[in-house]
Amino acid sequence: DAGVTQSPTHLIKTRGQQVTLRCSPKSGHDTVSWYQQALGQGPQFIFQYYEEEERQRGNFPDRFSGHQFPNYSSELNVNALLLGDSALYLCASSSATSDYEQYFGPGTRLTVT
Amino acid sequence: GQSLEQPSEVTAVEGAIVQINCTYQTSGFYGLSWYQQHDGGAPTFLSYNALDGLEETGRFSSFLSRSDSYGYLLLQELQMKDSASYFCASRPRNQGGKLIFGQGTELSVKP
Repeated sequence: DAGVTQSPTHLIKTRGQQVTLRCSPKSGHDTVSWYQQALGQGPQFIFQYYEEEERQRGNFPDRFSGHQFPNYSSELNVNALLLGDSALYLCASSSATSDYEQYFGPGTRLTVT
Repeated sequence: GQSLEQPSEVTAVEGAIVQINCTYQTSGFYGLSWYQQHDGGAPTFLSYNALDGLEETGRFSSFLSRSDSYGYLLLQELQMKDSASYFCASRPRNQGGKLIFGQGTELSVKP
């Protein structure tokens, strides 16, 4: 049973560019959440998708957007990249009935230069 | 809003018991979770307390006291592989499945 997978594992972008990160949830999970984790900090909630809709959003600007597909996989898009967007981006999946137990993927390490 | 506070670092020796505390300020939440994260790895779920009291899962136990706005993770029979960062996380009421994480506690287990 594959767990949560994310791609790519590492990415280097230039300020002002756009990036798309991808996530496939654990089998049987229908809910996907995205988090940003800066070095030495706890993960910060970006948003959550359920039934292809954004269910909840954290304090992130509109430059951060997402999508969930019918197969429950998800994308995170970040436009107009800033140096401060450099972080580990984590995807977590869960079932709508047990949101407290979220399964995290290995993350995408984004570096903005 | 919600905020959770944890000690930044804890050091202990192999075989010992260590407690990692988490104090929080919240307007209401469903429960408190604990996650472990090794360097460069994915956070992994350890434990969840929806109700006050102790939850035991093998060498790990977690405790919650809503009246004291306090919880802790207890690790017994420490092993070198337990060296990692540990995060408490709350799930606020009426905010879907959003988790709010503390800043994390880096545990170093010495031989």
